[in-house]
Amino acid sequence: DAGVTQSPTHLIKTRGQQVTLRCSPKSGHDTVSWYQQALGQGPQFIFQYYEEEERQRGNFPDRFSGHQFPNYSSELNVNALLLGDSALYLCASSLDPHRLDYGYTFGSGTRLTVV
Amino acid sequence: DQQVKQNSPSLSVQEGRISILNCDYTNSMFDYFLWYKKYPAEGPTFLISISSIKDKNEDGRFTVFLNKSAKHLSLHIVPSQPGDSAVYFCAARRDNYGQNFVFGPGTRLSVLP
Repeated sequence: DAGVTQSPTHLIKTRGQQVTLRCSPKSGHDTVSWYQQALGQGPQFIFQYYEEEERQRGNFPDRFSGHQFPNYSSELNVNALLLGDSALYLCASSLDPHRLDYGYTFGSGTRLTVV
Repeated sequence: DQQVKQNSPSLSVQEGRISILNCDYTNSMFDYFLWYKKYPAEGPTFLISISSIKDKNEDGRFTVFLNKSAKHLSLHIVPSQPGDSAVYFCAARRDNYGQNFVFGPGTRLSVLP
């Protein structure tokens, strides 16, 4: 049973460009959340998607947007990349938007480097 | 403003001894706390949680203690094993805010054989 799958694993982009990261949730899960983890820091909540809608959002600018598809997979889009957007981007999935602890599964992340 | 703090970036413990990882928070609206473990090149893995209505939760070798008045929680690992070597994140959720967790910066635990 595959867990949370994220692609690509690594990515290098130039300042000002746009990037799309992808996440396939664990089988049976319908909720996807995205986190940004800067070097030496803990993950920071970006937003959560459930039933193809953004349900919660952290303190991130509008340059960060997302989408959830009918098959529950999700994309994270970042426009006008800044050097400070360089981080590990983690996706987490669960069955229902309030499920915590054992039901909340993280992927291995996408390492984004902005140069 | 860091709402969840883990003031020890690293901790080394001898195998078989107790590991104590500490976490402090500032927001009194937090109602649920979790500990995650992260190995290199892997995503965080849930370890143990505690609701704000409790002061202790135990799961095998792992125990989490919550002191609400001090806004402090700690994770005890007894006995520590080399496989416990990882980065440990404390996380808190506010007021039934779904999955909007606030994570601390993490503590790197090294268990020495």
